[in-house]
Amino acid sequence: DIQMTQSPSFLSASVGDRVTINCKASQNINKYLDWYQQKLGEAPKLLIYNTNSLHTGIPSRFSGSGSGTDFTLTISSLQPEDVATYFCLQHNSGYTFGAGTKLELK
Amino acid sequence: EVQLVESGGGLVQPGRSMKLSCAASGFTFSNYGMAWVRQAPTKGLEWVATISYDGSSTYYRDSVKGRFTISRDNAKSTLYLQMNSLRSEDTATYYCTRSYGLLPFDYWGQGVMVTVSS
Repeated sequence: DIQMTQSPSFLSASVGDRVTINCKASQNINKYLDWYQQKLGEAPKLLIYNTNSLHTGIPSRFSGSGSGTDFTLTISSLQPEDVATYFCLQHNSGYTFGAGTKLELK
Repeated sequence: EVQLVESGGGLVQPGRSMKLSCAASGFTFSNYGMAWVRQAPTKGLEWVATISYDGSSTYYRDSVKGRFTISRDNAKSTLYLQMNSLRSEDTATYYCTRSYGLLPFDYWGQGVMVTVSS
């Protein structure tokens, strides 16, 4: 089974900051890495699919990059409404989620 | 707007059964595969089961094979998860999700809590 290691687990940043969250796969997953956002009490929302494709309606300050085993979600300028938990998902072989990154405002 | 609304959760004793439902709206249900994903308290997310758009193919994680059954009623735009022989480790919030092409989970419901305890 493919393992996903997500870092950091917690992140505190200020409005306007550039924020990066990482996921590392235990083996090559090609481009099949998605990113999700989950706000407290809400359903998870797909942000980025297949490494770098922005899902419908997602603001352009969110972007994804990477290949093979190392992937990054970037928020170019943090907004208050971005406070949430973010997690990655590999779907190259089965489905494995990262443990999540809780993002809060400093 | 895509909407997925789960129901049927609650407290159940170990070894008993429970059936979850997911009412879908805002899209043509019969054109999409569907899946259940769960999250145990203080733990990560894990995929549970997937069903094809027409119900002809189903897939399960090993730990629920033989105990859980995913099904759908396209006439009612509803997804189901029949859970038998429940164990304490099945305690989790269960999410209904939609699959689109190569995207396994593009839209999610709010989730429903299942607690397995005596």
